[in-house]
Amino acid sequence: DSGVTQTPKHLITATGQRVTLRCSPRSGDLSVYWYQQSLDQGLQFLIQYYNGEERAKGNILERFSAQQFPDLHSELNLSSLELGDSALYFCASSVVERGELFFGSGTQLSVL
Amino acid sequence: GESVGLHLPTLSVQEGDNSIINCAYSNSASDYFIWYKQESGKGPQFIIDIRSNMDKRQGQRVTVLLNKTVKHLSLQIAATQPGDSAVYFCAAGAGNTPLVFGKGTRLSVIA
Repeated sequence: DSGVTQTPKHLITATGQRVTLRCSPRSGDLSVYWYQQSLDQGLQFLIQYYNGEERAKGNILERFSAQQFPDLHSELNLSSLELGDSALYFCASSVVERGELFFGSGTQLSVL
Repeated sequence: GESVGLHLPTLSVQEGDNSIINCAYSNSASDYFIWYKQESGKGPQFIIDIRSNMDKRQGQRVTVLLNKTVKHLSLQIAATQPGDSAVYFCAAGAGNTPLVFGKGTRLSVIA
């Protein structure tokens, strides 16, 4: 167990809908990262937060947004969902802004 | 931007043999490298890391080699066991930028 908690584990929804994925980092970790994993693209970095502030953005679509709350948990919001958004979404955390990442078990999103 | 790639998407080895998984990176400014193991249904799990001021680092049954000249790193697993069957990712980082992951190599251990 990495100490990073992601909910829900599975999410099935329809195109055009909006969903929220939640992540609780390891106790004491200030940095939260979101990654998308699809079969042919590997792990793609989406966005990083550090102590409530956005630190880095990767290949995150404009339909996606995230935030980190004062208690350090983070949410990834995906809207106007398309079939191609179906993927495994991972949250990871680290103590500082770089270094070893500890990954949650992921949220499997299926858009039908 | 940085790209990280693995040389082989799949690798099959006999139980007890040594496994070598290779990875190439593109950014010469990359100074931190990590290997992760991902088992089915789980998130990636840290195996070993290495910084650019080193060319070799050993852990328990694993060794990472870094060749900065050709921007290549490898993960060696000694005496591969069935429990080593998983997808292995290399990741590279430069400064405070987030890690960039390769696409992964699926290691299958044949009993």
